[in-house]
Amino acid sequence: DSGVTQTPKHLITATGQRVTLRCSPRSGDLSVYWYQQSLDQGLQFLIQYYNGEERAKGNILERFSAQQFPDLHSELNLSSLELGDSALYFCASRGTGGNTIYFGEGSWLTVV
Amino acid sequence: KNEVEQSPQNLTAQEGEFITINCSYSVGISALHWLQQHPGGGIVSLFMLSSGKKKHGRLIATINIQEKHSSLHITASHPRDSAVYICAVSGQETSGSRLTFGEGTQLTVNP
Repeated sequence: DSGVTQTPKHLITATGQRVTLRCSPRSGDLSVYWYQQSLDQGLQFLIQYYNGEERAKGNILERFSAQQFPDLHSELNLSSLELGDSALYFCASRGTGGNTIYFGEGSWLTVV
Repeated sequence: KNEVEQSPQNLTAQEGEFITINCSYSVGISALHWLQQHPGGGIVSLFMLSSGKKKHGRLIATINIQEKHSSLHITASHPRDSAVYICAVSGQETSGSRLTFGEGTQLTVNP
């Protein structure tokens, strides 16, 4: 158990819909990263938050947004979903003392 | 050309064999990570390296910063080692430590 919790584990939704993926980092970790793993593009960095503020942005679509709340949990919002958004979405957290990154189990999103 | 290249893409071994997976990168890094992803999807961090060599059980990871190359070795491989092994690097950018990933190596160890 990495200590990073993601919900839901599986989600099936229709095109055009909006979903929210939730992540609770390891206790005390201030950094949260979101990654997308799709069959055709592999693992890609989406966005990072540090202590509530956006720190870095990767290949995140404009239809996607994220935030980190005062209790340090984070949400990734995916809207106007397309078939190509079907993927495994990972959240990871990192402590301030080291560089080891801990991954959640991922949220499987299927858009039909 | 990807910033992180792994080889081989697929590897099949017999139980007990010594296995090597290679990773080359083309950017400056602060650290290199070896990750393991099992069929269920979860990702586990095996090693984080910035220099030299690390060992954990039957796993050994090495890095050569000058040559921008790392290797992951598995000694006395076992069917439970079957998984995808992913090399990832943390960049030198000051904002965060996002990971850039290789495409992964699918390892199958047969009994």
